[in-house]
Amino acid sequence: EIVLTQSPGTLSLSPGERATLSCRASQSVSSSYLAWYQQKPGQAPRLLIYGASSRATGIPDRFSGSGSGTDFTLTISRLEPEDFAVFYCQQYGSSPWTFGQGTKVEIK
Amino acid sequence: QVQLQESGPGLVKPSGTLSLTCAVSGGSISSSNWWSWVRQPPGKGLEWIGEIYHSGITNYNPSLKSRVTISVDKSKNQFSLKLNSVTAADTAVYFCARDGEVQGDFDYWGQGTLVTVSS
Repeated sequence: EIVLTQSPGTLSLSPGERATLSCRASQSVSSSYLAWYQQKPGQAPRLLIYGASSRATGIPDRFSGSGSGTDFTLTISRLEPEDFAVFYCQQYGSSPWTFGQGTKVEIK
Repeated sequence: QVQLQESGPGLVKPSGTLSLTCAVSGGSISSSNWWSWVRQPPGKGLEWIGEIYHSGITNYNPSLKSRVTISVDKSKNQFSLKLNSVTAADTAVYFCARDGEVQGDFDYWGQGTLVTVSS
């Protein structure tokens, strides 16, 4: 199975700053089938990005995804107060679908 | 707007069977989407359990395959999860989710239900 490793584990930033989250795969992700989710405490994950770079319906354009092969990035251009949460990457190019361990973006 | 709602017992005894149902509203389970179960142990990350298509075709995570059964009831617009021989390690929040246009990413989620395995 494909193992996804996210870094850093925790990112401490202030509102208005730029956040850059990394996701590295143990092998190439087929067709760039890589998604990003945001999860707040007590809530279900929310799909942000699919296909490595396509924003899901209703997702603000401050969220962007990039990458291919084994290296992927989620960028939040300017953090809003509601953006602080845990973010997960997930690959769906090869079954079983797998998630990274998560990156927590916390208020500095 | 598609909505998913999990239901089932919140407490299961060790060696017993965990059974959950996901009711789908605002859309048909017979659409061209797959339907998945994902779980999250308290304070930990996400694990995909398996998925089903309305025809009954299933795809399971090999790590759980020997203990998992996912089924669909088109007449009730719902799908179900059974996990047998449970232990404390199966304690988690269980989410049902709809796969997106491409099988394997999840665009709609239920709110999740906590299942605790304890005697």
